Amino acid sequence: DADVTQTPRNRITKTGKRIMLECSQTKGHDRMYWYRQDPGLGLRLIYYSFDVKDINKGEISDGYSVSRQAQAKFSLSLESAIPNQTALYFCATSDLTSSGRSTDTQYFGPGTRLTVL
Amino acid sequence: DQQVKQNSPSLSVQEGRISILNCDYTNSMFDYFLWYKKYPAEGPTFLISISSIKDKNEDGRFTVFLNKSAKHLSLHIVPSQPGDSAVYFCAANAGNNRKLIWGLGTSLAVNP
Repeated sequence: DADVTQTPRNRITKTGKRIMLECSQTKGHDRMYWYRQDPGLGLRLIYYSFDVKDINKGEISDGYSVSRQAQAKFSLSLESAIPNQTALYFCATSDLTSSGRSTDTQYFGPGTRLTVL
Repeated sequence: DQQVKQNSPSLSVQEGRISILNCDYTNSMFDYFLWYKKYPAEGPTFLISISSIKDKNEDGRFTVFLNKSAKHLSLHIVPSQPGDSAVYFCAANAGNNRKLIWGLGTSLAVNP
């Protein structure tokens, strides 16, 4: 079973609809991230959470919101989807070493392809 | 302003030859660098990393070199195999904030 799962894997929706993308992890990591990938723009950070009570905006958070329901779950919502939110969305996790220093390495889910018509 | 730059969008190499993927950075506070590999329709997967206290790290066919004075790192794959064909992302971070700063990726094609 995959350590980081994302649902749905593909979604087509219409402008103005509310969409939720879900991410679950079995790695036991405290830190979780949401990215989007667009052609030619690499990976851009939307939101990140360093623990259940900690939520931070990334570089492109406008139009998005998140919820960290538990250590293992981090969901991304588009309150009113628009066509330029059509992209590939990735969830990732990372952890801390026993000394409290981040291990830096992020582990990614398989992605959700979202199309907003 | 792009702090991590991968100036070559694509690279084509013959099977068995060496692939060299380059990455430049501007932030001298970066102290950890990572390379990720991404196949279509999959999430990026961690490949290899290097701390700023080292100048080389090797893992099988993959070696990463870091030149701090030039703010440059490179990933060497030797010998290259068709299965190495993917997009390679360079990433870096600084301090314990641990938000990765990503390059735009280089698409590698290894031809049989």
